[in-house]
Amino acid sequence: GQQLNQSPQSMFIQEGEDVSMNCTSSSIFNTWLWYKQDPGEGPVLLIALYKAGELTSNGRLTAQFGITRKDSFLNISASIPSDVGIYFCAGQDSTNQFYFGTGTSLTVIP
Amino acid sequence: AAGVIQSPRHLIKEKRETATLKCYPIPRHDTVYWYQQGPGQDPQFLISFYEKMQSDKGSIPDRFSAQQFSDYHSELNMSSLELGDSALYFCASSVAGDSGYEQYFGPGTRLTVT
Repeated sequence: GQQLNQSPQSMFIQEGEDVSMNCTSSSIFNTWLWYKQDPGEGPVLLIALYKAGELTSNGRLTAQFGITRKDSFLNISASIPSDVGIYFCAGQDSTNQFYFGTGTSLTVIP
Repeated sequence: AAGVIQSPRHLIKEKRETATLKCYPIPRHDTVYWYQQGPGQDPQFLISFYEKMQSDKGSIPDRFSAQQFSDYHSELNMSSLELGDSALYFCASSVAGDSGYEQYFGPGTRLTVT
């Protein structure tokens, strides 16, 4: 099936720093979703994007739906220790099927 | 707010046994998705149901089957279990909104095959 390229694979940052991660696809998506997953838990939806160029914020999180509809990025500002986890992007194509990125593991050093 | 419910949360089975995982979607959600997530992997789509009919099929083995019932809950049936089936199994539900679909995940069932 389709695979989304998510980068970086892992990040180690100092508390208070900003974080940026992105996802790219070889095909067009109609929806981009960003999730955070803690170990052994289900992914939690952070932000949903539905239109090309759309920029949406959720607290310290900001995500954008790329103009080409083949990419999306997620920014986290002023990171805190509880931001630690694995972040996944997911895209929905024209057949309504969802595909997940490979994940970005975030470690925040206090 | 109500979330997706999955049961059991943990399951230990032996090779060649069968297992049934259950998923109760968020009320009024009409679509259910099943995913398998191995250690350090992203969730892999298995199968989905919309209004009790199978809508999409992903990398679900022939040994697995699933269905969605009249009350919209779904069950994933796994037979002839293999060691490689050990993984986290997630159910997610969604409903078509004004803009599109948002998938909400349950807490998962951790299946261990010994």
